[in-house]
Amino acid sequence: DTGVSQNPRHKITKRGQNVTFRCDPISEHNRLYWYRQTLGQGPEFLTYFQNEAQLEKSRLLSDRFSAERPKGSFSTLEIQRTEQGDSAMYLCASSGYRDKGIGNTIYFGEGSWLTVV
Amino acid sequence: GQNIDQPTEMTATEGAIVQINCTYQTSGFNGLFWYQQHAGEAPTFLSYNVLDGLEEKGRFSSFLSRSKGYSYLLLKELQMKDSASYLCAVREGQAGTALIFGKGTTLSVSS
Repeated sequence: DTGVSQNPRHKITKRGQNVTFRCDPISEHNRLYWYRQTLGQGPEFLTYFQNEAQLEKSRLLSDRFSAERPKGSFSTLEIQRTEQGDSAMYLCASSGYRDKGIGNTIYFGEGSWLTVV
Repeated sequence: GQNIDQPTEMTATEGAIVQINCTYQTSGFNGLFWYQQHAGEAPTFLSYNVLDGLEEKGRFSSFLSRSKGYSYLLLKELQMKDSASYLCAVREGQAGTALIFGKGTTLSVSS
């Protein structure tokens, strides 16, 4: 088990282009989360899946953002018509029922850095 | 609403002890987490409290008072590698739901 894996790790895109990030959670983790983090801030919650069901979406998640987890394993986060304000690190995290002893701890991936120019 | 407050920055010297405080006001409470984040890296889990009291794990300890909406992370025998951001996070809902994070406390350890 190699932990939560995200790719690409870095993406530079022109304003108005679409970008997609992929996340592979820890094996057998049934919950998957997307967060966004900018410099000097803590991670901001975007959305959360349990298996393939998207259970919660933040108001931060505008119509240009969409996330999927079609088979309850990997997930994708797509940003359409990117804006400069979308520049941030996009963090994926996962948790599993086996971690009940430590509160269903959330484990983060290395993040995908997005720069919109 | 949700409000999680931590000091923005702290400084300390090698070998010292530092206490990072966190206060929270959330609509629900189902656990408080501390994460460490080095610059440019992902947050890594440090500790978890759901009941009042102190949880000790090596050089790091975390305390929780639910009635006061207050937690602290205590770091002993500071090392240079402890220079990082420390994030306080609260779970409001049932097990497995997302964590809400504070803005983090940047700790600088000097020799």
